[in-house]
Amino acid sequence: ETGVTQTPRHLVMGMTNKKSLKCEQHLGHNAMYWYKQSAKKPLELMFVYNFKEQTENNSVPSRFSPECPNSSHLFLHLHTLQPEDSALYLCASSQLRDSHTGELFFGEGSRLTVL
Amino acid sequence: GQNIDQPTEMTATEGAIVQINCTYQTSGFNGLFWYQQHAGEAPTFLSYNVLDGLEEKGRFSSFLSRSKGYSYLLLKELQMKDSASYLCALMDSNYQLIWGAGTKLIIKP
Repeated sequence: ETGVTQTPRHLVMGMTNKKSLKCEQHLGHNAMYWYKQSAKKPLELMFVYNFKEQTENNSVPSRFSPECPNSSHLFLHLHTLQPEDSALYLCASSQLRDSHTGELFFGEGSRLTVL
Repeated sequence: GQNIDQPTEMTATEGAIVQINCTYQTSGFNGLFWYQQHAGEAPTFLSYNVLDGLEEKGRFSSFLSRSKGYSYLLLKELQMKDSASYLCALMDSNYQLIWGAGTKLIIKP
């Protein structure tokens, strides 16, 4: 138990569907992140929120839409995805965005399959 | 540019010692991290090095040489539960984490 909970753990969707991934952290952290993890590839940072404000969007296609209503919750809204978007989507949190220790606390991920 | 390299997969024997290497190239450096990720689970923080030398934490140690752009994670007295992927990550001058692709460690009895 890392203090970061992601739902659903598994999701299968068609290319025309709309779905959302949810992340909740119980650590009192102020920064939250979405990462994409594909097999044998480095973690790809998608979005960063610091104190509920989006601070980074690493050239992510608009079919991925993040939402951060408060410091404890983060969503990733998905629509018209492509099969190459199939991956493990990891949520993480940290005390501060520019933390000198940089320690991230990850959720267990949402395994997404796009048919 | 920035680049991190680590072996894709390693195999070791229960009770033995294994060293997982990580080499990097970067123009700015604010520390190097190691994370452990068991299959189907969240990555978890193992270690952080910002100065040269060896940091020991129980059976795990992490080493850093900034001049050589090199780090390693040393695992002693290997146990079956150490089978996992080990992720090396560099914190650059903008405090962004740049990740390696991970090393899958397989422990055999």
